[in-house]
Amino acid sequence: DAKTTQPNSMESNEEEPVHLPCNHSTISGTDYIHWYRQLPSQGPEYVIHGLTSNVNNRMASLAIAEDRKSSTLILHRATLRDAAVYYCILRDYINTGKLIFGQGTTLQVKP
Amino acid sequence: NAGVTQTPKFRVLKTGQSMTLLCAQDMNHEYMYWYRQDPGMGLRLIHYSVGEGTTAKGEVPDGYNVSRLKKQNFLLGLESAAPSQTSVYFCASSYHLIQPQHFGDGTRLSIL
Repeated sequence: DAKTTQPNSMESNEEEPVHLPCNHSTISGTDYIHWYRQLPSQGPEYVIHGLTSNVNNRMASLAIAEDRKSSTLILHRATLRDAAVYYCILRDYINTGKLIFGQGTTLQVKP
Repeated sequence: NAGVTQTPKFRVLKTGQSMTLLCAQDMNHEYMYWYRQDPGMGLRLIHYSVGEGTTAKGEVPDGYNVSRLKKQNFLLGLESAAPSQTSVYFCASSYHLIQPQHFGDGTRLSIL
């Protein structure tokens, strides 16, 4: 399974944009890039996913490098409720579609 | 719409006891998954199911068994609990392989 690398922690100020990076240099052509987040004492929550093109939804944007070896999750205006652990995951659709979680990035949002 | 419901939310067991964790989803999803999360770590896949009557092993299946007799339910069993199985257990489901997974709120299990 292809591996992802994320910073252990990041800080942001409330109402400012946040860029969460993820490196996945061994990504294969069939891997989709998924982002989930986990708020304290809750189960993970789906944020966004993409294959090659940049993606936007109501929660965030996903910017994917042209060579697909890295990606960035963008929260346009961080709120205190965005404080969570963010997981960048390469999802294998050929086999089970299972999610392989790393340790993620703990995002702190300061008021 | 309840989504994914896990029962119980908390449980304390003694070493050697058995128990079953229940996961129920009301979204008519085909795929269901059981994960465990240890402190400071990401989730690890225990077992999964790609449809009613099917189960398969994940990353850390030893010491656990599962059953999917009904499409909406996925049961995780511990036959003889061990302290190493102290963890938070999450169930997830998805409609299709390419769809996002929906997670329950977890079961916090302590084994003394």
